[in-house]
Amino acid sequence: GNSVTQMEGPVTLSEEAFLTINCTYTATGYPSLFWYVQYPGEGLQLLLKATKADDKGSNKGFEATYRKETTSFHLEKGSVQVSDSAVYFCALTPGTGGTSYGKLTFGQGTILTVHP
Amino acid sequence: EAGVTQFPSHSVIEKGQTVTLRCDPISGHDNLYWYRRVMGKEIKFLLHFVKESKQDESGMPNNRFLAERTGGTYSTLKVQPAELEDSGVYFCASSPILAGVHNEQFFGPGTRLTVL
Repeated sequence: GNSVTQMEGPVTLSEEAFLTINCTYTATGYPSLFWYVQYPGEGLQLLLKATKADDKGSNKGFEATYRKETTSFHLEKGSVQVSDSAVYFCALTPGTGGTSYGKLTFGQGTILTVHP
Repeated sequence: EAGVTQFPSHSVIEKGQTVTLRCDPISGHDNLYWYRRVMGKEIKFLLHFVKESKQDESGMPNNRFLAERTGGTYSTLKVQPAELEDSGVYFCASSPILAGVHNEQFFGPGTRLTVL
């Protein structure tokens, strides 16, 4: 079956540091890949996505590139801010098929804390 | 536009009691999903409605869990009787049905269930 593995946290950084959160996946076919973020007290929000190999998703200074050869979708940001402190989830869906898209398979989440 | 709402935000019950969680999706979203995160582990899929029909309930852990979506609007998830291992955060998500588009799922803030 499908699975997602994220680097274990928590991750603690100083403001303006470089961030990488590793994510690898196992899936048949051509899944779509996502990063979701959960800020304290809020629900999950889509941060970025990529739907085919070599696509780069980007949003709010975060980037991730869909690497099919390494089955990876690592999240990066060049300079983190205190407001980026949150839980980050890597996820996939099984790709296209029909008119509704099915379940998300999530990684275990990585807690990021950024200090001033 | 209102987002996905969930009620209650927290619930503390005794083992053996019954609890009903409610999710109101974004208006017009025919897809509705339930997920659960237990003890800081990965978020796991429970089931998927398309309108009032259960499209996929492969993630429901056992027959103590009953989900309904009468009329294709809001959904309820009942746990009866609750066990200790049911504790966790229950998330609801919704998305529209748009053919050929990788639909973003919009998540609610979750219901934190504690079974004592």
